[in-house]
Amino acid sequence: DTGVSQDPRHKITKRGQNVTFRCDPISEHNRLYWYRQTLGQGPEFLTYFQNEAQLEKSRLLSDRFSAERPKGSFSTLEIQRTEQGDSAMYLCASSFKVNTEAFFGQGTRLTVV
Amino acid sequence: ELKVEQNPLFLSMQEGKNYTIYCNYSTTSDRLYWYRQDPGKSLESLFVLLSNGAVKQEGRLMASLDTKARLSTLHITAAVHDLSATYFCAVVNNAGNMLTFGGGTRLMVKP
Repeated sequence: DTGVSQDPRHKITKRGQNVTFRCDPISEHNRLYWYRQTLGQGPEFLTYFQNEAQLEKSRLLSDRFSAERPKGSFSTLEIQRTEQGDSAMYLCASSFKVNTEAFFGQGTRLTVV
Repeated sequence: ELKVEQNPLFLSMQEGKNYTIYCNYSTTSDRLYWYRQDPGKSLESLFVLLSNGAVKQEGRLMASLDTKARLSTLHITAAVHDLSATYFCAVVNNAGNMLTFGGGTRLMVKP
């Protein structure tokens, strides 16, 4: 499968725990994006990387959130001290370069109980 | 700040009928996408519209873009049940590094 891959697909965690999600972009795509989608809403931009550099972060990305892309390939999104409001679908997308189409992964659905 | 509004938010229609979903955006952009999302699934790209007057068609769906009015439409012709899904429009910001999505239109096609 050569599409964007996300792991895990589902995660249930207790409030206060830390969680980490992984995204593997399409090979040779140097741009990688994270979005969050809450129930009944459109996806909202969180952050994006060009290669290993994190170039933009939304104000939605509180200090409990951190994203990395250490070698310019896969990326991780960590949420510390999860809250119930963090429950959402976290979508990763990648694109070859600026102004080219971004392709979305299947998402990781997080439920904080 | 770029804002994207869709209407209607919810659409229930009979099979065989036609309808149009509207997408308005607040600032200039040179790229607009339409996506389909099935429940619990990710986003499937339907159309990319790049220029004023662009029109694209795939099966029973046709999308158009008017950059002067900052308006895109997604027209559904002779709807079938398989088209039931949530449809999103998304606009690229001027830097080309971020999509801003509308709130989505949940379409239900009844037999």
